[in-house]
Amino acid sequence: DTEVTQTPKHLVMGMTNKKSLKCEQHMGHRAMYWYKQKAKKPPELMFVYSYEKLSINESVPSRFSPECPNSSLLNLHLHALQPEDSALYLCASRWTGGGTEAFFGQGTRLTVV
Amino acid sequence: RKEVEQDPGPFNVPEGATVAFNCTYSNSASQSFFWYRQDCRKEPKLLMSVYSSGNEDGRFTAQLNRASQYISLLIRDSKLSDSATYLCVVNRESRNAGNMLTFGGGTRLMVKP
Repeated sequence: DTEVTQTPKHLVMGMTNKKSLKCEQHMGHRAMYWYKQKAKKPPELMFVYSYEKLSINESVPSRFSPECPNSSLLNLHLHALQPEDSALYLCASRWTGGGTEAFFGQGTRLTVV
Repeated sequence: RKEVEQDPGPFNVPEGATVAFNCTYSNSASQSFFWYRQDCRKEPKLLMSVYSSGNEDGRFTAQLNRASQYISLLIRDSKLSDSATYLCVVNRESRNAGNMLTFGGGTRLMVKP
């Protein structure tokens, strides 16, 4: 199983809503990532979890709140988002050591209205 | 200066052509390097890792020059299906921050019949 599964695939939410994005992997990877990607731009790092602990927060606004309940799951809780937060949100995972590649989920395409 | 830089293109080439992409990185502590391919509205997928000695996978050849902090990707005998955005990805590991995977801006390739 070399899959990273993200749900939902598409999400439309209002600016006052609260929603969560989910990411799951069963490859035993202990580093998990959230990236945000706008159209025609590369993915931008938001958060890194290493051994279920938040190790990197790239100055992301508090309306995005990550959570890593266990080594297989990564959530991104969304609250009071703005229309400019509309983007593709990608989850990735990899082994923590050595030069191993990251595996990406298919992403959640988020539209904030 | 961005940490990972690529020529955005687009590179428009005919089928069968050879095309080369370059990538430079600014942080000499970078440890591992990858080329990813991303199709429109899809997630990035690993094309190949880049090793110090250079490596080849079919029509694709990757080179790394640590002294010049430069990575390249050569595609021979281009196919229509090679049309995509090619992302240079650099990994840096630190004890405190864990694994940093940083993307270049991507190079767009369009192969024409």
